[in-house]
Amino acid sequence: NAGVTQTPKFQVLKTGQSMTLQCAQDMNHEYMSWYRQDPGMGLRLIHYSVGAGITDQGEVPNGYNVSRSTTEDFPLRLLSAAPSQTSVYFCASSLTGGMNTEAFFGQGTRLTVV
Amino acid sequence: GENVGLHLPTLSVQEGDNSIINCAYSNSASDYFIWYKQESGKGPQFIIDIRSNMDKRQGQRVTVLLNKTVKHLSLQIAATQPGDSAVYFCAEEYGNKLVFGAGTILRVKS
Repeated sequence: NAGVTQTPKFQVLKTGQSMTLQCAQDMNHEYMSWYRQDPGMGLRLIHYSVGAGITDQGEVPNGYNVSRSTTEDFPLRLLSAAPSQTSVYFCASSLTGGMNTEAFFGQGTRLTVV
Repeated sequence: GENVGLHLPTLSVQEGDNSIINCAYSNSASDYFIWYKQESGKGPQFIIDIRSNMDKRQGQRVTVLLNKTVKHLSLQIAATQPGDSAVYFCAEEYGNKLVFGAGTILRVKS
């Protein structure tokens, strides 16, 4: 039972490079979301999706794009990485969103932009 | 902007004592609240949840209290153990969004 799987676990990018953080869940959850966590801080919502084909912005969406072509996958794209995007990124999924259900988190992707 | 240098509050307790971690939430329309535990290098793990129509919920060694009047949430851990050492986050849910508080570090002294 894999749960929420994030890849890669670690990544170093140069300023201006692009990359995609992958997130997959095998629990048939409708709701998926991406958070970033900076040192000594809580998690901040970047983007979320309530189902395949539907995405929306969270608290800190600038510099990030997402898509949800399947229920299982919710990739996060950085089009032009900046040092301010150095952070730990967490993907989460839940059965539904806004319906009082527990969110399950992946193990995180530690991204450094130099 | 970024809160560079923000330090999380720390609660230090003796092994076997009870711990109380507090959280103030922001949105009076929030209808679901969750406490998460995050150990070093790992993602947050669910501990306990509570809906807005309740003011108390108990789990195994944990109790969550909700005071909607003052928008306050607390997590009580009974007989705290070394394995409880972690960062604890409260989260509130409204409008399809799960929003996290800043977190509290719990350190258990043996």
